[in-house]
Amino acid sequence: DGGITQSPKYLFRKEGQNVTLSCEQNLNHDAMYWYRQDPGQGLRLIYYSQIVNDFQKGDIAEGYSVSREKKESFPLTVTSAQKNPTAFYLCASSITGGKNEQFFGPGTRLTVL
Amino acid sequence: GENVEQHPSTLSVQEGDSAVIKCTYSDSASNYFPWYKQELGKRPQLIIDIRSNVGEKKDQRIAVTLNKTAKHFSLHITETQPEDSAVYFCADAGGTSYGKLTFGQGTILTVHP
Repeated sequence: DGGITQSPKYLFRKEGQNVTLSCEQNLNHDAMYWYRQDPGQGLRLIYYSQIVNDFQKGDIAEGYSVSREKKESFPLTVTSAQKNPTAFYLCASSITGGKNEQFFGPGTRLTVL
Repeated sequence: GENVEQHPSTLSVQEGDSAVIKCTYSDSASNYFPWYKQELGKRPQLIIDIRSNVGEKKDQRIAVTLNKTAKHFSLHITETQPEDSAVYFCADAGGTSYGKLTFGQGTILTVHP
C-alpha cells in the first residue's frame, strides 16, 4: 500500500559514517514525523515538521538532523554523533500538525557494524 | 516532558476473553489519546482515539475510557480473536495544539485459540 514510503528497508553503517534515511508521502499531508523504536521502549520522537521549511526537535534529537524542503519529503540523517544508532526508524505523516491520525511508513532497520 | 506509563507489558488471554491495557499520563492539560496496533513486522496503525471532552468511545469490539481526574485511560478489547495478537501502544499528545505524541512502552497481546 502506497501513501507513505521509506527506503531502504535495511541499512548497515560503519561506525563514524553518516547515513540518510528516506521518507516520502503522496498523501498531501502537511505534517511529518520521525520516530525511533527500540524493544521495550515504545516509539520516541526524534524530529517533527508541521509545514514545509520548518521543523522542531523531538525528545531524542541529539545526533540526528532533518530537512523539509518539499512537502512530500522528510529525510533523516543519522550522524556519527549518535552514540547508539542501531534501531528501527519509523516515519509518519498527518494531514495537519494538529491532533490527527498519524500514518506510518514501513520503517527502516539501521544496524551499525 | 510528558510521561506515559503503560501496563501490562505482556498480556496473554484465551480467545473470547476480554483484554484491558491501561496507561497513565502526567500532563493535566493533555487532551488527545490515540491507540496504535502494530502487528509483527508491520507498521503501527491507529485503532481508536479519544479526546478529553468525552469519557468513553466504542468501535465494535474496541473501547477506550478516559479518567481525567486520575489521569489514566484504558483500551478494552472484548471477544478477543487470534488476529488481535499484536503490540498495542497508547499515546498522549500533551496540552499543546501540536500533534507531537508521547508513546507508552507497548503491550504485547497474545490471544490463544
